[in-house]
Amino acid sequence: DTTVKQNPRYKLARVGKPVNLICSQTMNHDTMYWYQKKPNQAPKLLLFYYDKILNREADTFEKFQSSRPNNSFCSLYIGSAGLEYSAMYLCASSSWGSQNTLYFGAGTRLSVL
Amino acid sequence: QQKVQQSPESLIVPEGAMTSLNCTFSDSASQYFAWYRQHSGKAPKALMSIFSNGEKEEGRFTIHLNKASLHFSLHIRDSQPSDSALYLCAVGSNTNKVVFGTGTRLQVLP
Repeated sequence: DTTVKQNPRYKLARVGKPVNLICSQTMNHDTMYWYQKKPNQAPKLLLFYYDKILNREADTFEKFQSSRPNNSFCSLYIGSAGLEYSAMYLCASSSWGSQNTLYFGAGTRLSVL
Repeated sequence: QQKVQQSPESLIVPEGAMTSLNCTFSDSASQYFAWYRQHSGKAPKALMSIFSNGEKEEGRFTIHLNKASLHFSLHIRDSQPSDSALYLCAVGSNTNKVVFGTGTRLQVLP
C-alpha cells in the first residue's frame, strides 16, 4: 500500500488565524515533505523531516512550523495565515536510499479570506 | 540554492509522436534525478528516476542524464492521449532535499 493521506482536502481560513494541516503514511518511510503549489509555479519545498530531524527552507523558515510525533504522522502549522498562503499544500514521503521515490498525497487546498 | 528549470513550458504533439522534455539543474553534487507526472486533479506520481550518467528505458519512456552538462531529459516514444499531463522534473541531494521544476504541460492530440 503506497498511500499518503492528507486532511482536510479543502480548508478555508481567515486572515490572521492559525491553520493546521495533517499528513499520514503507512509505508514506514523515513522522510516526509511539505510542498506549497501555486498555479503555474513549481512545487516549492517548505520543509522536510528525515526521521526526527526537521529541515526548513531559509526563505520560509519563520512562516511554517511542523511536528512529527511519530514515523507515520506529520503536520504543517501556519501561525497567522495571510492571503499569500492560499495554495495547494502537498505532503510526500519517501524512503531515502531505497529508490528515493516520493509518494504524494492528494493535497490540501487552502483558501485564505 | 538549487535551481531547477524545465523546457518547454508546454507542448502539443500528435498521437504517435516522440516527445522530449528537458530539465536543467544548478548543483553538480545532486544525486537523484526523476520525472513525475501529474494528471489534472490528481497527485504527482513518479515515472522514473536515474542516479548516474547514462540512459534508462522503461517501456515507452527513456530518461537520459548528463551530469557534466547539468541536464537530464525524458523521452516518450509513441505518445498517447493518456500521456497528456503536467510533467515535473525533480532533483535530490544527499541531504534528502528534493527540488522540483516548474513543469511542462504536455497535450497529445488523437
